[in-house]
Amino acid sequence: KQEVTQIPAALSVPEGENLVLNCSFTDSAIYNLQWFRQDPGKGLTSLLLIQSSQREQTSGRLNASLDKSSGRSTLYIAASQPGDSATYLCAVRPGETSGSRLTFGEGTQLTVNP
Amino acid sequence: DAGVIQSPRHEVTEMGQEVTLRCKPISGHDYLFWYRQTMMRGLELLIYFNNNVPIDDSGMPEDRFSAKMPNASFSTLKIQPSEPRDSAVYFCASSLRGGGGYEQYFGPGTRLTVT
Repeated sequence: KQEVTQIPAALSVPEGENLVLNCSFTDSAIYNLQWFRQDPGKGLTSLLLIQSSQREQTSGRLNASLDKSSGRSTLYIAASQPGDSATYLCAVRPGETSGSRLTFGEGTQLTVNP
Repeated sequence: DAGVIQSPRHEVTEMGQEVTLRCKPISGHDYLFWYRQTMMRGLELLIYFNNNVPIDDSGMPEDRFSAKMPNASFSTLKIQPSEPRDSAVYFCASSLRGGGGYEQYFGPGTRLTVT
């Protein structure tokens, strides 16, 4: 059974700092991995999706990397801003034959202090 | 596109009452998912559909829960009878097979409180 772990559970940083969020998964046979953010009281917003054949994806100040063989992904946020404060979740998709089912981590709650 | 639409956004009901949550997926998407989120258990997949057919309902907690997708643009999640432990935020999400890699898009959620 696939298990997804995110470390740390919570992170507080001053504005402007670069930071890394970690995600690990136990079964490396994944189809792809998706990073989401969730603001308090809101739904999940998709940030980046990395296919199993890719090493990284970038969107603005966000960069997500994937090392499938070691079961790890990182989300790098450059020059953090207070508006980046949210919970960040990673989720893995086991395989195309499994359809689109995702296994989620518990999330990292990020606070960026002005 | 308007994104995934859920209604109602908030629902407060008394124990024993029937609750119906509604979802309209993104047009053209062929997968639809129902999730439940609580502080204790995090985000749990309840059921998902492909082309309106339920594929995996192993996450549905018990027979009090049922879900339907009568057409490609509408789905319901029903709880009958509701219990206080059903209080949670219920999310609907949709995705598209193919080049998009099944990227999932979530609705804003329905916050259910059962008293």
